[in-house]
This record gives sequence, structure tokens and C-alpha cells, in this order.
Amino acid sequence: SAVISQKPSRDICQRGTSLTIQCQVDSQVTMMFWYRQQPGQSLTLIATANQGSEATYESGFVIDKFPISRPNLTFSTLTVSNMSPEDSSIYLCSVNSGDTEAFFGQGTRLTVV
Amino acid sequence: AQSVTQLDSQVPVFEEAPVELRCNYSSSVSVYLFWYVQYPNQGLQLLLKYLSGSTLVKSINGFEAEFNKSQTSFHLRKPSVHISDTAEYFCAVMEYGNKLVFGAGTILRVKS
Repeated sequence: SAVISQKPSRDICQRGTSLTIQCQVDSQVTMMFWYRQQPGQSLTLIATANQGSEATYESGFVIDKFPISRPNLTFSTLTVSNMSPEDSSIYLCSVNSGDTEAFFGQGTRLTVV
Repeated sequence: AQSVTQLDSQVPVFEEAPVELRCNYSSSVSVYLFWYVQYPNQGLQLLLKYLSGSTLVKSINGFEAEFNKSQTSFHLRKPSVHISDTAEYFCAVMEYGNKLVFGAGTILRVKS
């Protein structure tokens, strides 16, 4: 199993600003995943972050809007840039354990005003 | 490409009644199948999973799901629900070592 700590747990931000979300895992993992859950909707994968290489973004998400860092095998950050109210969502970090199971952080509840 | 369809967006049911939440998936390769639960204002929790072997898998709180390869389904069932089962349930598929693809979710509302 894997224990994931995400910070902050929630934040209220002004439009036009940026927020960086941190994800810390208690074990070394190859891939880390960032998801978004918009109000009343399912989870959508934003990008996959591999240590030592650039993140791979899903269709509809771009690096300029959601830059990701992956400095080592236990840590990653996701930045939500130039925020607008449409970015209000829960952002979740996830890792796979043994390649067959995903574990999730508690999420960051972001409200943009 | 993988996709997951949860056929019901909301399922209202009375306490102690049985319930089935339906999930169909599509994939060109073998997949792993999962049900996650999200209680109000909480994070995602794994409810149960199918990786291989017996097609019927069970959770510790009385839920079960059956993998049906011919129908590409992984429906979730519980013979008698409780008020505390009120939550949103997500079906998901994963190709080996890869990302999860989620269904749209089904809100289970248990009424007394």
C-alpha cells in the first residue's frame, strides 16, 4: 500500500493567481498521477508525472496551465496557473502500487473567487 | 482506448433493500477493474477490485462485484443496504501499470 499526503487540503484563491499543490508519498514510485474532479463530476486525469522526464498531459490539459514537477521518486507538485472560477475543483494525487492498484491522496479542494 | 459507462447516475433505495450499480467497460486488452467509494466530503476509497482469478470479488462491508468478460461488465451489488452506504460510487478500469479511467459515478441514496 501507499500513504499519500497532499497539501493544502483546501484553499480559496483569487482569480489570476496560481496555486501549487504538493503530493508526498511514503514510498518510491515510478509514476504519479494528477486528477481533477469538477463539482458533481467524475475524475479526469490531468497528467502522468515520471521522475526525470517531462509530464505527459491528457487531451485538454496543457503544461502552461498545469505545470508539474517531479524532482524525486516520492514527491510531485501540480501548479494551477492563472486561475479562473472554472478551475474550482478537487485536485487529487494518485500512485500505483504494484502496478495493479491506485491509491489517492485526500485531495485539494480549490475554490477560485 | 478504454472507457467506462456507469448506467445510472443516481440510485435511490430503501434501507435493507438490495441494490445493483451497473458498470460496463470497453478495452482492447485485459484490464483490472475497480470500484471506488466517495462518502460526502471525503476522499476516494477503494471498495473492491478484480485483478484475476475468481470473477466474484467481495468487500469487507458486504458489497460484491462480478466480472463478466463476455458482457464486459463489473456490476456492484449489495443484498441489504444501510443508511451509511449513501455515497458516490465510481467504477474504474486500469491497463497494467497504467492510469485509471473512471466512469461518471453513481450516487447511491439510501432512504429510511
